[in-house]
Amino acid sequence: AQKVTQAQTEISVVEKEDVTLDCVYETRDTTYYLFWYKQPPSGELVFLIRRNSFDEQNEISGRYSWNFQKSTSSFNFTITASQVVDSAVYFCALRSNTDKLIFGTGTRLQVFP
Amino acid sequence: EAGVVQSPRYKIIEKKQPVAFWCNPISGHNTLYWYLQNLGQGPELLIRYENEEAVDDSQLPKDRFSAERLKGVDSTLKIQPAELGDSAVYLCASSRSIDSPNTGELFFGEGSRLTVL
Repeated sequence: AQKVTQAQTEISVVEKEDVTLDCVYETRDTTYYLFWYKQPPSGELVFLIRRNSFDEQNEISGRYSWNFQKSTSSFNFTITASQVVDSAVYFCALRSNTDKLIFGTGTRLQVFP
Repeated sequence: EAGVVQSPRYKIIEKKQPVAFWCNPISGHNTLYWYLQNLGQGPELLIRYENEEAVDDSQLPKDRFSAERLKGVDSTLKIQPAELGDSAVYLCASSRSIDSPNTGELFFGEGSRLTVL
């Protein structure tokens, strides 16, 4: 069975704080892809990053960074120096041999000024 | 480049009434998806099209839901008759061919929020 767990339902921080969103996944497949999407209040999900199962190198993009650890089946997302515009629901997702994109339940991030 | 366009944004109907949602994907995107998103949940796939062929409709409740993508471009999702439990956001997404290197990068519309009274 494939599953994505985002245990944090909601996180509130004050602007400029760092925040980490957790994602734990389950799959029996050896080849798979992991994703993070952002859903702002307007509703459309916005693609942030894709990682394949053979690339455990962490990635940094501006204030965003991702930590992929196969040993713990985790793909965590950190926002450094958070801003109000980061307020949104963030979804972690998994895609493997079934070609179906499985989403977690999302983490709502609220950044207060 | 225009994004994925969905209409209507909001729809309120009474139970047992029919409803239809329309989606126009990004030009050149062969793959089209309809997702259902309940409040506080992640999107769940209803149906996926490769061009005009429905290649995965295993999660589509076929007794009341139907979808079509006749010319391999825009698509319509219909519910008839609607039930109270169908209240949700219906998201459309598109992507390049499933075999492309960018597989899995979906572009979503803003969704159609359905309220069934």
